[in-house]
Amino acid sequence: DAGVTQSPTHLIKTRGQQVTLRCSPKSGHDTVSWYQQALGQGPQFIFQYYEEEERQRGNFPDRFSGHQFPNYSSELNVNALLLGDSALYLCASSLVDTWSTDTQYFGPGTRLTVL
Amino acid sequence: QQQVKQSPQSLIVQKGGISIINCAYENTAFDYFPWYQQFPGKGPALLIAIRPDVSEKKEGRFTISFNKSAKQFSLHIMDSQPGDSATYFCAAVNSGGGADGLTFGKGTHLIIQP
Repeated sequence: DAGVTQSPTHLIKTRGQQVTLRCSPKSGHDTVSWYQQALGQGPQFIFQYYEEEERQRGNFPDRFSGHQFPNYSSELNVNALLLGDSALYLCASSLVDTWSTDTQYFGPGTRLTVL
Repeated sequence: QQQVKQSPQSLIVQKGGISIINCAYENTAFDYFPWYQQFPGKGPALLIAIRPDVSEKKEGRFTISFNKSAKQFSLHIMDSQPGDSATYFCAAVNSGGGADGLTFGKGTHLIIQP
C-alpha cells in the first residue's frame, strides 16, 4: 500500500516563474492538504481540497492555487514566484470526516528553490 | 502571529534520559493537540495526540502532559534512544473546522547521544 507520494522531489525555479507540484494521496483517502515548511520552521497550512473543491484555506496569497482530480490526486500551483517561496512543500492526505483529528499522512515533500 | 510557541529549539539528551519538549498556545478554540516526528528527508509523522479533556496520555515511551488552564502541553520521551533523534513538532487545531488547518510550532531538534 503506497503512502502519500509527491513529485518532483526537488525543483529549482527563478523569480517570476510558475511552478506546479503534484501529490497522490494514500489509498482510500479523499482529502488532500498542502503545507509550506520554510527552513527551520514548522509547516504552515496553505489549503485543503475535498471533492475537487478548496475546502479550507490558510493565510496565503492568491498566487497559491490548487486543484484536485477525480482520483483524489492534487496539484499545487504557485505563480509569480518570489525568493520567499523557497521551502519544502508538504502534501498530507486524510479522510474528510476525520481530517482534523485523524492521522494526516504526510508525503516526503517537494523542495522548491527560487533563485 | 505565532499561535503555538515551542521550546527548546534544540535539545541534547543522553541515551536513557528523559527528553522534554514544551508548547504553549493562545487560541482557546484549539481542541486537539498532536505531536509529529520528522526525520531528515521525510514528511512529519503523527506520534501521539491529546484532547484537553484529559491531563495526560501515554503511549509506550511517549507521554503528553496537558495543562488547560495554563494553555500548555508537553511531550516527554522516556528512556530516550538514539533512534529518537529527529525534529519534533507540536501542533494544534480546532477540530470543529477552523480556517487554519493544523497550526504547528517551530520545532525542536532532538539529539540523543549514545
